[in-house]
Amino acid sequence: AQSVTQPDIHITVSEGASLELRCNYSYGATPYLFWYVQSPGQGLQLLLKYFSGDTLVQGIKGFEAEFKRSQSSFNLRKPSVHWSDAAEYFCAVGRGNKLVFGAGTILRVKS
Amino acid sequence: DAGITQSPRYKITETGRQVTLMCHQTWSHSYMFWYRQDLGHGLRLIYYSAAADITDKGEVPDGYVVSRSKTENFPLTLESATRSQTSVYFCASRGQGANTEAFFGQGTRLTVV
Repeated sequence: AQSVTQPDIHITVSEGASLELRCNYSYGATPYLFWYVQSPGQGLQLLLKYFSGDTLVQGIKGFEAEFKRSQSSFNLRKPSVHWSDAAEYFCAVGRGNKLVFGAGTILRVKS
Repeated sequence: DAGITQSPRYKITETGRQVTLMCHQTWSHSYMFWYRQDLGHGLRLIYYSAAADITDKGEVPDGYVVSRSKTENFPLTLESATRSQTSVYFCASRGQGANTEAFFGQGTRLTVV
């Protein structure tokens, strides 16, 4: 079945440390790939997206993601995490008319 | 104000009652979506619409009904609410093209007692 997998349900990092959130997808062709962030009690906000070209994409709030076709992955990274980055992060795939989400990763930031 | 708005933000209803969640967007986006968010499942697509009067099922459509008589509105109706439909519901909209950004409402927290 076509799916989006985020293997880490929770991740805790120290403020100032680097971050990598994992995302794998199981669609045959290269889909459109997105990362969204959801702060507590809020809707979702787009961090970045990839659909072609350079496999390293830059987003808002200092985030970047790298598309690796051979691994069917689209991992989200940030070199130095801030306390305000604590939120839930969703990887999503755009296929045809639909936008399919992974189960999300909750990021906790400790000071 | 431009954007996408959902109403109500919070709703408590009883099992068996009909309840309608409203979604309104001001961009004239072609596509609109309804998702439910449950712990451990992320966001699951309930229904989506590609244009007025065109709707299609998503992953978890059972127990839900949608309509889209106007481009800007996409109401979601639970015909006979069940406790398993207790969830947070998000509406989203986007323009043409699967690579365009989807914009999300603030969500409706629905509790079925």
